[in-house]
Amino acid sequence: EDQVTQSPEALRLQEGESSSLNCSYTVSGLRGLFWYRQDPGKGPEFLFTLYSAGEEKEKERLKATLTKKESFLHITAPKPEDSATYLCAGSTGGGNKLTFGTGTQLKVEL
Amino acid sequence: NAGVTQTPKFQVLKTGQSMTLQCAQDMNHNSMYWYRQDPGMGLRLIYYSASEGTTDKGEVPNGYNVSRLNKREFSLRLESAAPSQTSVYFCASWGQFNEKLFFGSGTQLSVL
Repeated sequence: EDQVTQSPEALRLQEGESSSLNCSYTVSGLRGLFWYRQDPGKGPEFLFTLYSAGEEKEKERLKATLTKKESFLHITAPKPEDSATYLCAGSTGGGNKLTFGTGTQLKVEL
Repeated sequence: NAGVTQTPKFQVLKTGQSMTLQCAQDMNHNSMYWYRQDPGMGLRLIYYSASEGTTDKGEVPNGYNVSRLNKREFSLRLESAAPSQTSVYFCASWGQFNEKLFFGSGTQLSVL
């Protein structure tokens, strides 16, 4: 059974305090590892897709990395506007169905 | 650019009532999906449609039916709502060229 596990469940940071979110996966025949951002009351918004171990992608203060067993979302010098829930998902192809983790709720305080 | 549009945004039902959640996308995507999101459970796939005219069960299909009306529209029907179906429902479509899921803004459903 495909499984995606995210940790921690919640994270509170001070503005400028860098940290990382973890996503471990057991997905047979992984085609892609996805990161999404979700703000309260809204649908998830796409951030990154990673396809192979060693791949890295960056966007502003966010950098996503992928190994054979897990992915990390690194947040460098976060700002309050980075506060959101970050979702990780794995895709096995075949209908492009994504299996999601339960998310990490990030709060960045001044 | 509307993307994925869901209606309604909020709905309250009584146990046993029926309703249909509507979803439409204007990006010419082949594949469309219905997910539900519950606290501590993450997003779980209810049904999906890989292309117009086809539908398949996801992880949690019991109590739901779907219709792929045309390439743009994919509806989710609750025939006899139960309190366990209280959730936030998201429709999504898959962009075959940029290979990612695009989500609607969700429907918050409460079944009393």
